[in-house]
Amino acid sequence: QQQVKQSPQSLIVQKGGISIINCAYENTAFDYFPWYQQFPGKGPALLIAIRPDVSEKKEGRFTISFNKSAKQFSLHIMDSQPGDSATYFCAASIANAGKSTFGDGTTLTVKP
Amino acid sequence: EAGVAQSPRYKIIEKRQSVAFWCNPISGHATLYWYQQILGQGPKLLIQFQNNGVVDDSQLPKDRFSAERLKGVDSTLKIQPAKLEDSAVYLCASSLDLMGQGFNEQFFGPGTRLTVL
Repeated sequence: QQQVKQSPQSLIVQKGGISIINCAYENTAFDYFPWYQQFPGKGPALLIAIRPDVSEKKEGRFTISFNKSAKQFSLHIMDSQPGDSATYFCAASIANAGKSTFGDGTTLTVKP
Repeated sequence: EAGVAQSPRYKIIEKRQSVAFWCNPISGHATLYWYQQILGQGPKLLIQFQNNGVVDDSQLPKDRFSAERLKGVDSTLKIQPAKLEDSAVYLCASSLDLMGQGFNEQFFGPGTRLTVL
């Protein structure tokens, strides 16, 4: 049973456009939702994260929207740039447990 | 600050052979994780250590996989014997800790890409 479902699998966006990646989770015990960015040959790196007591968190061009009742959250990348081309993973954690459960990733390509 | 170090970066073996991966976490990080990332999938936790004790190994295939973290610093992950389906990237991550004190950012190493022929 996949606890974190991510879509789409791949995404192509023009430079300057908005990239949107969606995730849904099942376990209501999750209380921390990080997003990771992974470039080829590198490990994932934390991009932005949110707790379920807020509906939105913004850091620069990256925004997480969170819908607790629907058990869904999404990543919005505004003004997408070619340097944003990477694989993005959503994840869900029980904060005190440390470990994260990952979605299967979205490969983002931003065309110049 | 030095990141999480892993070696080797690449390994090719034949099925039924054994292989070992090494991880050196960020200095001072109490918690260490090993994840398996199969191509096209997200990382899946294999084992989590806090200092030199195992916190979670529920998804570790214990008939063939083993891991240790002696002295609460470096860690090794071993596969014996390897199967074709073990082909994946093995990621090591560490966090400052401390369990019970909220989420701590996980810092990932570059991974070891294992190919089993």
